Amino acid sequence: GQQLNQSPQSMFIQEGEDVSMNCTSSSIFNTWLWYKQDPGEGPVLLIALYKAGELTSNGRLTAQFGITRKDSFLNISASIPSDVGIYFCAGQQDNDMRFGAGTRLTVKP
Amino acid sequence: ETGVTQTPRHLVMGMTNKKSLKCEQHLGHNAMYWYKQSAKKPLELMFVYNFKEQTENNSVPSRFSPECPNSSHLFLHLHTLQPEDSALYLCASSQDTAGAETQYFGPGTRLLVL
Repeated sequence: GQQLNQSPQSMFIQEGEDVSMNCTSSSIFNTWLWYKQDPGEGPVLLIALYKAGELTSNGRLTAQFGITRKDSFLNISASIPSDVGIYFCAGQQDNDMRFGAGTRLTVKP
Repeated sequence: ETGVTQTPRHLVMGMTNKKSLKCEQHLGHNAMYWYKQSAKKPLELMFVYNFKEQTENNSVPSRFSPECPNSSHLFLHLHTLQPEDSALYLCASSQDTAGAETQYFGPGTRLLVL
């Protein structure tokens, strides 16, 4: 079935740097979601986007729902060590929900 | 704490064993899901239950058998698994399965099949 293309696969950054990751799809979605997964835990919802063009912030995190409804990005500003983990995008259309393969973020102090 | 709990958190089993994974949600949701998460791959949806009825079986082998006795509990019964079934099994719940309903995940059960 349709999967999302999430990039980059992994990132190694210095504490304090900004981070950007994105997801693209050949299909449109009505909802875009961004999750974070810590080691040994399940994904936790960070941001949900419900409208094309919507830009939403949650603390140092900012996510946008692409105007074409086929993409979304997540930015993290001024990264800190606890930002380490795997970030997943998910697109939802009716009863269908698809996930990206994840971006593994490493933050060096 | 997302309101979705899973037990056990870790499980090691032989290929001839029978075991069960349990999921419980305390969010008052009506839909529950089982996902398989393998390294560096997208989450794979296995089963969906809405109001205790199975609404989706994503071509999952019969050695995985789900059970949903009520809207708060979901089980995954395991029998004669293969080593390639080793993965993190995640349970999730949402208000229902209609579009735009956000899913909340449990912490997962890390399964190793020897």
